[in-house]
Amino acid sequence: AQTVTQSQPEMSVQEAETVTLSCTYDTSENNYYLFWYKQPPSRQMILVIRQEAYKQQNATENRFSVNFQKAAKSFSLKISDSQLGDTAMYFCAFMKQARGGADGLTFGKGTHLIIQP
Amino acid sequence: DTEVTQTPKHLVMGMTNKKSLKCEQHMGHRAMYWYKQKAKKPPELMFVYSYEKLSINESVPSRFSPECPNSSLLNLHLHALQPEDSALYLCASSRAGTGANVLTFGAGSRLTVL
Repeated sequence: AQTVTQSQPEMSVQEAETVTLSCTYDTSENNYYLFWYKQPPSRQMILVIRQEAYKQQNATENRFSVNFQKAAKSFSLKISDSQLGDTAMYFCAFMKQARGGADGLTFGKGTHLIIQP
Repeated sequence: DTEVTQTPKHLVMGMTNKKSLKCEQHMGHRAMYWYKQKAKKPPELMFVYSYEKLSINESVPSRFSPECPNSSLLNLHLHALQPEDSALYLCASSRAGTGANVLTFGAGSRLTVL
């Protein structure tokens, strides 16, 4: 079974600052995928970024980037130039490679990120 | 269409009622999921349907009964629920098969059991 650990229950930064959310995971799988989802107060889960474990290059999506360290089983999210709209619960999630069907996501407990004006 | 639509948005039911939650997507996804989320907690996987067949049941009590009538629809039938079943129920869909199957989530159905 997989486990995902987010050790920061809550973080607060000023608008325009850079913030890093940490995530570690444990698995015996060799092929898997990692995701960051955000859930604002509207409660819709929205994909922020994804990373394939077989790719060494860190994923980047505009202001969002990850630092993926496969050997250390670490997958942190960096948000640059933070905006008020980034205020949300951020979940790190793991998915093992499905073998012809589908598998669900295993989520960490989440980090509540607050962007202060 | 890139959305997952869940109805109703809010549902209040008594412990003896029978109700259903509905989820619909038109993205051609062949995998659909039900998650349960309690306040300030992460979503917990309940069921996974792959190619309209139930492939994962995470030991969910039988008072929750999933149904996948076709590749676009997913229902969750509720009967004789307990107050502790009150939660946000999230539906999601994705491609099936190998690869990074990104889940697209609906906005959820907020269930209150009295």
